[in-house]
Amino acid sequence: GAVVSQHPSWVICKSGTSVKIECRSLDFQATTMFWYRQFPKQSLMLMATSNEGSKATYEQGVEKDKFLINHASLTLSTLTVTSAHPEDSSFYICSVNGGGLSNQPQHFGDGTRLSIL
Amino acid sequence: AQSVAQPEDQVNVAEGNPLTVKCTYSVSGNPYLFWYVQYPNRGLQFLLKYITGDNLVKGSYGFEAEFNKSQTSFHLKKPSALVSDSALYFCAVRVLSNTGNQFYFGTGTSLTVIP
Repeated sequence: GAVVSQHPSWVICKSGTSVKIECRSLDFQATTMFWYRQFPKQSLMLMATSNEGSKATYEQGVEKDKFLINHASLTLSTLTVTSAHPEDSSFYICSVNGGGLSNQPQHFGDGTRLSIL
Repeated sequence: AQSVAQPEDQVNVAEGNPLTVKCTYSVSGNPYLFWYVQYPNRGLQFLLKYITGDNLVKGSYGFEAEFNKSQTSFHLKKPSALVSDSALYFCAVRVLSNTGNQFYFGTGTSLTVIP
């Protein structure tokens, strides 16, 4: 069964709208979750590392005020795309480290396709 | 710097033929290597991993991969391709850093199995 649940799977909204994406770890507690962005036919770009109970760690070039991350519990991290514009349209994927050990794979949500009109 | 390379953007293979998707890596220390598959509009699904031990690792859906330390490669293979194997494949390496465990992904290889 799914280890990570991501919701919603598809969002279409008007420019200027803020959109919240949820990522839930179903099988274990996750002190750390990851948010990726993927453009068509391209690899995953790590946006930020979400840390439970503290501030997220953003990768260089990612706007913190644009992509708000909240990790309020050990099973839930949210990514809010604030005042979204067409250039924010993309596929967003979250993941969780398996069991917290370095030899375990990451488990990914099914992704959220965001389309800004 | 840690990196993963997938030299082929696209691989085409006839159904029933063996397939290979290439991956090379550059890391400091011992690599933890992974292969993932992505179907359209879906997240990544774990296929297999190499941590230590036997260089040939077997994974889901009949896939296997061979770790070659001297060539720093971790090519994904399958003896007989199925049309349903058509998807996007990502090689990844996991390294320890001062911020925790971080994954580095290759650019992906689109596999098309031709009926």
